[in-house]
Amino acid sequence: DAKTTQPTSMDCAEGRAANLPCNHSTISGNEYVYWYRQIHSQGPQYIIHGLKNNETNEMASLIITEDRKSSTLILPHATLRDTAVYYCIVRGLSGSARQLTFGSGTQLTVLP
Amino acid sequence: DTGVSQNPRHKITKRGQNVTFRCDPISEHNRLYWYRQTLGQGPEFLTYFQNEAQLEKSRLLSDRFSAERPKGSFSTLEIQRTEQGDSAMYLCASRYDPGPNYGYTFGSGTRLTVV
Repeated sequence: DAKTTQPTSMDCAEGRAANLPCNHSTISGNEYVYWYRQIHSQGPQYIIHGLKNNETNEMASLIITEDRKSSTLILPHATLRDTAVYYCIVRGLSGSARQLTFGSGTQLTVLP
Repeated sequence: DTGVSQNPRHKITKRGQNVTFRCDPISEHNRLYWYRQTLGQGPEFLTYFQNEAQLEKSRLLSDRFSAERPKGSFSTLEIQRTEQGDSAMYLCASRYDPGPNYGYTFGSGTRLTVV
């Protein structure tokens, strides 16, 4: 699986958009970008994933650059409950026997 | 289905004692994973099961650790002769395979403190 690089921490004002970057310069053509988050004292939770097109769901949007070497997770209107560690993971879509590999993630703190 | 359930939520034990954790996955999920997470770090893979078969073990899983999934449903993780370095959050996850990699569902974990 390709390695990812994320900032250690970020702050965001409540109600504003939170933009979380991730670098994955060694991503291969069949690898997807996945985002999970972990709220304190809970297990990780899936947010969104994408291959090369921008994706949006009820939780977030995912913007992937044209060269696919980086991506940004956008929480359009951050709330205090979005305070969590956000993990960017790169791997194939399915069928792999291997487990998810987590880095250290980005600690997002939403400030009132 | 209430998701992945882990028990107990918290466990405090004295060094040298044995502890056992339980994970109840989502019923139709055939894959079950154990992870360990220490403070400030992301979860680290320990082992996983396909039904009742344990298919992979991480180098982190020393011989003091053993995991079982006897009937392909719930799983237990036992740590023998606990050490202070075993203090961590132990997370269980399940998913259906073949299935997408966004299909992992994690439990809330068991926090182990070894004193």
